[in-house]
Amino acid sequence: LAKTTQPISMDSYEGQEVNITCSHNNIATNDYITWYQQFPSQGPRFIIQGYKTKVTNEVASLFIPADRKSSTLSLPRVSLSDTAVYYCLVGPGNTGKLIFGQGTTLQVKP
Amino acid sequence: NAGVTQTPKFRILKIGQSMTLQCTQDMNHNYMYWYRQDPGMGLKLIYYSVGAGITDKGEVPNGYNVSRSTTEDFPLRLELAAPSQTSVYFCASSYPDRLNEKLFFGSGTQLSVL
Repeated sequence: LAKTTQPISMDSYEGQEVNITCSHNNIATNDYITWYQQFPSQGPRFIIQGYKTKVTNEVASLFIPADRKSSTLSLPRVSLSDTAVYYCLVGPGNTGKLIFGQGTTLQVKP
Repeated sequence: NAGVTQTPKFRILKIGQSMTLQCTQDMNHNYMYWYRQDPGMGLKLIYYSVGAGITDKGEVPNGYNVSRSTTEDFPLRLELAAPSQTSVYFCASSYPDRLNEKLFFGSGTQLSVL
């Protein structure tokens, strides 16, 4: 299983773009990259998923370089409500053994 | 649909007591998971199941047991509660059919062992 490394914490201000990078040097050919968001006292929720290049949805963008050894979650124009912990998860979903890394705590300031 | 439902939401146990954390999902997901999250820390996988009758250990299975008699339910059993098991427990589920499945989480059970 690919191990992931993320920054422990990041600070930003409202209205700024935030980029959180996840390193996964041992990613396998059939692994996908999935990002989750967790607010205090809640379970994580799915944000975005990708395999290669760029994926965009209404919440975020995910950039994956050609070698797939890292990925970057991009949150455009963050607000105070984006303050949360963000987890990068790498793996094939059909193995069942999905291991989370330590996550990145994003603090958005006014 | 209710999604993933966990009960109870809060529980206080004395050392040595036993309890079962309940988890049920109504999305017909074959895969189900139990994670624990200690204060200020990330999620640790306790047990997972890829279908009824099939369970397997995760990262931190000691002190816990699970069973999966139906697709919908995946209870987590603590036999002899210890203070180290004070944590928030999350149940999750997902589809099995594709490589890129995403997890759906319940709202958690906050457990204190005193």
